[in-house]
Amino acid sequence: EADIYQTPRYLVIGTGKKITLECSQTMGHDKMYWYQQDPGMELHLIHYSYGVNSTEKGDLSSESTVSRIRTEHFPLTLESARPSHTSQYLCASSLEGLAPYNEQFFGPGTRLTVL
Amino acid sequence: AQSVTQPDIHITVSEGASLELRCNYSYGATPYLFWYVQSPGQGLQLLLKYFSGDTLVQGIKGFEAEFKRSQSSFNLRKPSVHWSDAAEYFCAVGARGNTGKLIFGQGTTLQVKP
Repeated sequence: EADIYQTPRYLVIGTGKKITLECSQTMGHDKMYWYQQDPGMELHLIHYSYGVNSTEKGDLSSESTVSRIRTEHFPLTLESARPSHTSQYLCASSLEGLAPYNEQFFGPGTRLTVL
Repeated sequence: AQSVTQPDIHITVSEGASLELRCNYSYGATPYLFWYVQSPGQGLQLLLKYFSGDTLVQGIKGFEAEFKRSQSSFNLRKPSVHWSDAAEYFCAVGARGNTGKLIFGQGTTLQVKP
């Protein structure tokens, strides 16, 4: 079944740890996105990718980094987690099509807590 | 700068009552507009979208939205709310430059009373 997956769903870690949030999609989409969402707040784009080996920073500055080595995989890494990184992280993907804006499909999110 | 405003942070309606969630956007040209719903602990699901054509668009789960250029609005409506509609609703607009990026509003939390 075509879908978008995120692991882990919940993560509680201590300050200074390196973490990687996984995102994979089986829809063959070229475009992928990472959003950060605080409780009760809007989504802020922190990274996006138009395809393999293409990554760009989003509108909200983030200390995280991303990579896109395979079309289906778009992991997000924090080298040294801090309490300020506590948030929900949502991954999304969309098809490159004739319309400039296509539906973005979202994963279930990873809720990160840094102690 | 482009922006999306959802004036109502929290709305409570009784089950069976009608619903309207407001969305205002700022954008110079014809916007690409979306409504998403987020259930607790879940990602976002697309309800409907407007690109062009008929200004009244139908979506899933009985929702519809009307694009009004003169008011820069894209309000979401449902004639009869069900308890399962309780969720967070986000309006979004496609960012300038045809990049595929979306700008989201701050969301409206819908509570449904039995």
